[in-house]
Amino acid sequence: QITLKESGPTLVKPTQTLTLTCTFSGFSLSTSGVGVGWIRQPPGKALEWLALIYWNDDKRYSPSLKSRLTITKDTSKNQVVLTMTNMDPVDTATYYCAHFFSGANDYWGQGTLVTVSS
Amino acid sequence: QSALTQPASVSGSPGQSITISCTGTSSDVGSYNLVSWYQQHPGKAPKLMIYEGSKRPSGVSNRFSGSKSGNTASLTISGLQAEDEADYYCCSYAGSSSWVFGGGTKLTVL
Repeated sequence: QITLKESGPTLVKPTQTLTLTCTFSGFSLSTSGVGVGWIRQPPGKALEWLALIYWNDDKRYSPSLKSRLTITKDTSKNQVVLTMTNMDPVDTATYYCAHFFSGANDYWGQGTLVTVSS
Repeated sequence: QSALTQPASVSGSPGQSITISCTGTSSDVGSYNLVSWYQQHPGKAPKLMIYEGSKRPSGVSNRFSGSKSGNTASLTISGLQAEDEADYYCCSYAGSSSWVFGGGTKLTVL
């Protein structure tokens, strides 16, 4: 059974750096073809793809946010970490992590709401 | 890289069929067979309904089907049920190792 859970601060101040952790179980991020991605959703708005890390440590980022994002993995801890620098109120959103395989996000975490406000 | 275009809303009566379109470009939807569709109920995480354009994950009803023509992908739901009322999002590989979602479609079951 694959499960994922996001954790991190619920409130960050503008200009601060956000660090989110995705802790997962039921699969290994060292298995060929597997990835873990991050997707966000501002309140009442659409999903937005952010980043993806593959089993071989290949990393991919949204072109529009690439300069602010870093994704890393700790295979031994079954965790993936996303950092986003220079947070702004427009970054207020629910942030999801998801298992990625065969070109799709087939298992999702419950999401964590991050509010950016001073 | 712009969001894929979906109709803001669609509606149908129980038992009917509806189709949600997802229009991209020759750089994303038109070039790859990597379109996925997600269902999202209010306050819940998205659920994968279709991947690789037309494949259904285990456990997803065969009332859901996906297709593609040119730069437009489509999700068809047949035999509409009240539980199908939700937001639906398409997603496509956009080249350069990035992915793009659609703006979402709200399905109302009348």
